[in-house]
Amino acid sequence: QERLVESGGGVVQPGRSLRLSCAASGFTFSRFAMHWVRQAPGKGLEWVALISFDGSNKYCADSLEGRCTISRDNSKATLHLQMNSLRLDDTAVYYCTAWGITSAYGLDVWGQGTTVTVSS
Amino acid sequence: QPVVTQPPSSSASPGESARLTCTLRSDINVATSNIYWYQQKPGRPPRFLLHYYSDSEKVQASGVPSRFSASKDVSANTGILFISGLQSEDEADYYCMIWPTKVVFGGGTKLTVL
Repeated sequence: QERLVESGGGVVQPGRSLRLSCAASGFTFSRFAMHWVRQAPGKGLEWVALISFDGSNKYCADSLEGRCTISRDNSKATLHLQMNSLRLDDTAVYYCTAWGITSAYGLDVWGQGTTVTVSS
Repeated sequence: QPVVTQPPSSSASPGESARLTCTLRSDINVATSNIYWYQQKPGRPPRFLLHYYSDSEKVQASGVPSRFSASKDVSANTGILFISGLQSEDEADYYCMIWPTKVVFGGGTKLTVL
């Protein structure tokens, strides 16, 4: 059974940094592209970042203005998201999600999410 | 103008059909776009429902009932999610997603099954 488990969320002050992690199991992690998607309280889904299966290609949303770094460790089946200079509007549930594991297309496996609260 | 626009809400009665729309910005052609649909219930992560490019190129996610289907209205530059035989369990938020250069989600439609 494919599984993604996020960790690293919590309460953080504005301007600080945070590193989120996502542990994968039940599938060959190194074969699949991975994404982060976030959802602010009461709001819709917002795509955050993408990393290719081998880590050679990485993209963050333009709206994050260079404050985002996505990385992966295929030897440990783990995905990371580093967010810097956190702002109040970065408060959200952050989901780790995988592309095309059970379907040929689509973000078809999702973690339960980890909550980040940016507050002074 | 947002890249993807979805009506904030829709409602229908049990047993009826729902038609949820996803309109692309005019510089993005729905005819050449892959459209992905997700369902999200309160307190739960999103669930991938299906992908639609054309009637011959589409994917239904595992376990998703055939009551869920999709199409495009090219004249309106819009992707459409159809849900037939509505059930109370279909009450949820529905998001469309495209990937022109980077991934973009629509704002979501809250479907109420009255």
